[in-house]
Amino acid sequence: DVKVTQSSRYLVKRTGEKVFLECVQDMDHENMFWYRQDPGLGLRLIYFSYDVKMKEKGDIPEGYSVSREKKERFSLILESASTNQTSMYLCASRVGTEAFFGQGTRLTVV
Amino acid sequence: RKEVEQDPGPFNVPEGATVAFNCTYSNSASQSFFWYRQDCRKEPKLLMSVYSSGNEDGRFTAQLNRASQYISLLIRDSKLSDSATYLCVVIGTGNQFYFGTGTSLTVIP
Repeated sequence: DVKVTQSSRYLVKRTGEKVFLECVQDMDHENMFWYRQDPGLGLRLIYFSYDVKMKEKGDIPEGYSVSREKKERFSLILESASTNQTSMYLCASRVGTEAFFGQGTRLTVV
Repeated sequence: RKEVEQDPGPFNVPEGATVAFNCTYSNSASQSFFWYRQDCRKEPKLLMSVYSSGNEDGRFTAQLNRASQYISLLIRDSKLSDSATYLCVVIGTGNQFYFGTGTSLTVIP
């Protein structure tokens, strides 16, 4: 079974903090993605990566950055957290046409 | 215009009922189509792929209508365990996944 693991299920951070969300997959997939999921808006793509050290902006990259130093690990960084970044964050790894998601990180910025 | 649009529901149906969800997509060049299921507070998981010829997996039937650019999911003999949010997913140009906002289903005893 493919396993995608996100480092935290729940996080509470203060406005202005730098926040790191970690994601690790164990199947040697090249393609990894970060989404946020909000009620009524569905899943929106923040950033994705097709290879180590490679990153591409998704639909809503503002306020975020990413890091892919190793194939299995894809990190999402909130440079200066704001309350409008309170959301569910989902990491996914993809092979072919199937996406495998991590369990999600519910981030609250206060 | 959104790439993928779904009726958010909620759909509340009694056990044993048949329920159908539709989803429309905007890019006629889209090639691959899926339904994902997301349980409350869990991650989305692939339910089934959708083919032009239609496909069936037990009580679930998926259909694709390319001319009208919509995808459907039919659930027969609904079970309590079918309660979830169903996400329509389309792979568009550039090999990107596009997700619908999801349709919420609650099956009532």
